[in-house]
Amino acid sequence: SQKIEQNSEALNIQEGKTATLTCNYTNYSPAYLQWYRQDPGRGPVFLLLIRENEKEKRKERLKVTFDTTLKQSLFHITASQPADSATYLCALVGGGSYIPTFGRGTSLIVHP
Amino acid sequence: DVKVTQSSRYLVKRTGEKVFLECVQDMDHENMFWYRQDPGLGLRLIYFSYDVKMKEKGDIPEGYSVSREKKERFSLILESASTNQTSMYLCASSPPPRGMENIQYFGAGTRLSVL
Repeated sequence: SQKIEQNSEALNIQEGKTATLTCNYTNYSPAYLQWYRQDPGRGPVFLLLIRENEKEKRKERLKVTFDTTLKQSLFHITASQPADSATYLCALVGGGSYIPTFGRGTSLIVHP
Repeated sequence: DVKVTQSSRYLVKRTGEKVFLECVQDMDHENMFWYRQDPGLGLRLIYFSYDVKMKEKGDIPEGYSVSREKKERFSLILESASTNQTSMYLCASSPPPRGMENIQYFGAGTRLSVL
């Protein structure tokens, strides 16, 4: 069955460092991969989308990579700030359906 | 900016009650979705709708129904609330899939407690 894996353990980093979050998937051929941010008690907010034929996408301090051979996406936040602390969700679209399938998310905590 | 508004942030209901969760979007989106989110289980799709009066079951439709009488409004109905339906409920909308991108715009969520 299709499976999306994000690290369930929180990622703790110091302010100013680069945070790297991982999204792995199996039994899936996604056409798109999306990343969302979710703050406690709020709905997710869309951040970035990367297509299967793209290797890398950037937006300000955010960078997403997509390796369809490794079946993995990496989400980077450079020069991280305490305000970046949140849960980050990846979502895959494809396999004949336009409905995204979400991972469970990874919590990022940036310490001042 | 897309705005998706859920009628309540917090709701407390009793077992057996009929519960209505309302969602309104202001961007003329065709697609609307209802998810529930539980710790350790992530986001799970309950129902979605791609047009007025159209509905499709998601992964966990049991115990729920939906209504979409107008394009901007999508309602989730718990016919007879049970304690295992205590959860965070999230509504989302998206424009027609432009090449299947289907970016989701979420409301703030309704935290429902069933006692």
